[in-house]
Amino acid sequence: ELKVEQNPLFLSMQEGKNYTIYCNYSTTSDRLYWYRQDPGKSLESLFVLLSNGAVKQEGRLMASLDTKARLSTLHITAAVHDLSATYFCAVGFTGNQFYFGTGTSLTVIP
Amino acid sequence: DVKVTQSSRYLVKRTGEKVFLECVQDMDHENMFWYRQDPGLGLRLIYFSYDVKMKEKGDIPEGYSVSREKKERFSLILESASTNQTSMYLCASSFLGLIGQRKTQYFGPGTRLLVL
Repeated sequence: ELKVEQNPLFLSMQEGKNYTIYCNYSTTSDRLYWYRQDPGKSLESLFVLLSNGAVKQEGRLMASLDTKARLSTLHITAAVHDLSATYFCAVGFTGNQFYFGTGTSLTVIP
Repeated sequence: DVKVTQSSRYLVKRTGEKVFLECVQDMDHENMFWYRQDPGLGLRLIYFSYDVKMKEKGDIPEGYSVSREKKERFSLILESASTNQTSMYLCASSFLGLIGQRKTQYFGPGTRLLVL
């Protein structure tokens, strides 16, 4: 059974702190995606990771992929309030289907 | 910019009604998807389509059907709405692409459906 697990599910962190969100998946894949969802809004693509060892960075967010460990991480550096949102990872398998994690709800506290 | 639009942002229907949710994309994408999103369960795939008149079941197709008569339009149909179909419904589209290509999915704004 295909499983995509994110942790933590809820994250409350202070401004200026660092933290990492983890995404584990159960079956071999070489494509992993990170999305952001603001309350009441749809999903916005953040990163696309296509190979083992891939690292992408934008602003205070950095995503990495280890296909051997079946693990992706989303690292937040010096969090600011604007980063408060729900973050989803999604794993691409054969064909064009994605399997989404349950999401991590991030709240950044001043 | 890719644009994916959904026919309604909010819908309230009664149990037993037939419900149509429409999705239109303007980027000539081959693939289109319908998901439902529920708290604590993430996004679950209902149906997807990789070409006109083609459809494939996702993880939770029961109680739903779909229609794709034109490339840009993908409709989700609830034949007889039930209260457990109250949810947020998200449509997405992507290029078919080759192996290794990005194939990012682009999402519509969502339809929040309440079945009474």
